[in-house]
Amino acid sequence: NAGVTQTPKFRILKIGQSMTLQCAQDMNHNYMYWYRQDPGMGLKLIYYSVGAGITDKGEVPNGYNVSRSTTEDFPLRLELAAPSQTSVYFCASSSDRGQVTEAFFGQGTRLTVV
Amino acid sequence: AQTVTQSQPEMSVQEAETVTLSCTYDTSESDYYLFWYKQPPSRQMILVIRQEAYKQQNATENRFSVNFQKAAKSFSLKISDSQLGDAAMYFCASATGGSEKLVFGKGMKLTVNP
Repeated sequence: NAGVTQTPKFRILKIGQSMTLQCAQDMNHNYMYWYRQDPGMGLKLIYYSVGAGITDKGEVPNGYNVSRSTTEDFPLRLELAAPSQTSVYFCASSSDRGQVTEAFFGQGTRLTVV
Repeated sequence: AQTVTQSQPEMSVQEAETVTLSCTYDTSESDYYLFWYKQPPSRQMILVIRQEAYKQQNATENRFSVNFQKAAKSFSLKISDSQLGDAAMYFCASATGGSEKLVFGKGMKLTVNP
């Protein structure tokens, strides 16, 4: 049971570099999310998707882009990395059975921008 | 907009004793859900317990139970017979019906002393 898989687990980027955080789920969930967790803070929603081809902004979308070409995959793109994007990034998914159910999280990606 | 507040950044408990973690929330929605998530040092976000706002009965999951006070917008988590493995960060979160997007509190670090 893989659940939600994120890669990489750790990454160091230089200011101005770009990268893509990968996220894949094998539970056939329509809903997928990207959150970031800053030190001493709770998770904040960056982007979310309710199905393939449909994405929308969350609370803190600036500096990020997403795409959802398949049900399984929801990559997060960082363009022109900045120190403010140093954080732990979590991908999550949930089903859409008519009521809010459990969100399943990946193990997170610790990103440092130097 | 939803907000979730966890006012205690840290707590400690002796093994086998009971501890209560507090959480308050604010929402203008009538259809919403409340959650407690656990984050051990591994970073994995694990659902502890879930409460539907329309249910008056407090949710329970083995040693974990909640005290849901709807009028006071309070949602506390009680951990009975605390175990060393309960040591973690605990996050309170809410989501409105049909949204699935979680809003998190800042978290609380629980230490369990042997």
